[in-house]
Amino acid sequence: DGGITQSPKYLFRKEGQNVTLSCEQNLNHDAMYWYRQDPGQGLRLIYYSQIVNDFQKGDIAEGYSVSREKKESFPLTVTSAQKNPTAFYLCASRGQGAEKLFFGSGTQLSVL
Amino acid sequence: GENVEQHPSTLSVQEGDSAVIKCTYSDSASNYFPWYKQELGKRPQLIIDIRSNVGEKKDQRIAVTLNKTAKHFSLHITETQPEDSAVYFCAAYTGRRALTFGSGTRLQVQP
Repeated sequence: DGGITQSPKYLFRKEGQNVTLSCEQNLNHDAMYWYRQDPGQGLRLIYYSQIVNDFQKGDIAEGYSVSREKKESFPLTVTSAQKNPTAFYLCASRGQGAEKLFFGSGTQLSVL
Repeated sequence: GENVEQHPSTLSVQEGDSAVIKCTYSDSASNYFPWYKQELGKRPQLIIDIRSNVGEKKDQRIAVTLNKTAKHFSLHITETQPEDSAVYFCAAYTGRRALTFGSGTRLQVQP
């Protein structure tokens, strides 16, 4: 459980503001993922990265950006272009050749 | 891309009864099918998974069955207990890209 750390646990965004969600893992995993979860719904893929310095858009990438400068870190920025950002954001990672996904504890983002 | 459908969206059972949740997937290349349990505000927890070379897997009160021909898989929980109440998600994985999740089933076990 302590392998993936997301911060902060709660985040509030003002209109027009960009905010960044942190995701750090010490599992030496190559692949990392960001999912968005809306109340009563499943997890939808925002972005994923299979190796350092490379990342791909998921199903709902518009209004979000990511970077993968270090293997351990995969921060997600929610930009002002994302008009409905209120959701629970989950970061996950997976080891090379493995299938099991490890999740962080999530960040609840709300709009002020 | 892969599409996973899950039903029912809500399920209420009496304590001690069995619960069954069903999922279908679209991509025949999917070969890994995990099930997650999520409590309110918490991270999803893997409870059981199955690979495409196996038709059934059991772990105590939980079992998963897979029908590759029909492209569907199911979660079975026997002797349900109040602590089984949560949201359950199925998922499918082709080995490329990422896990694709179903929309979730809210299971309520009535004491």
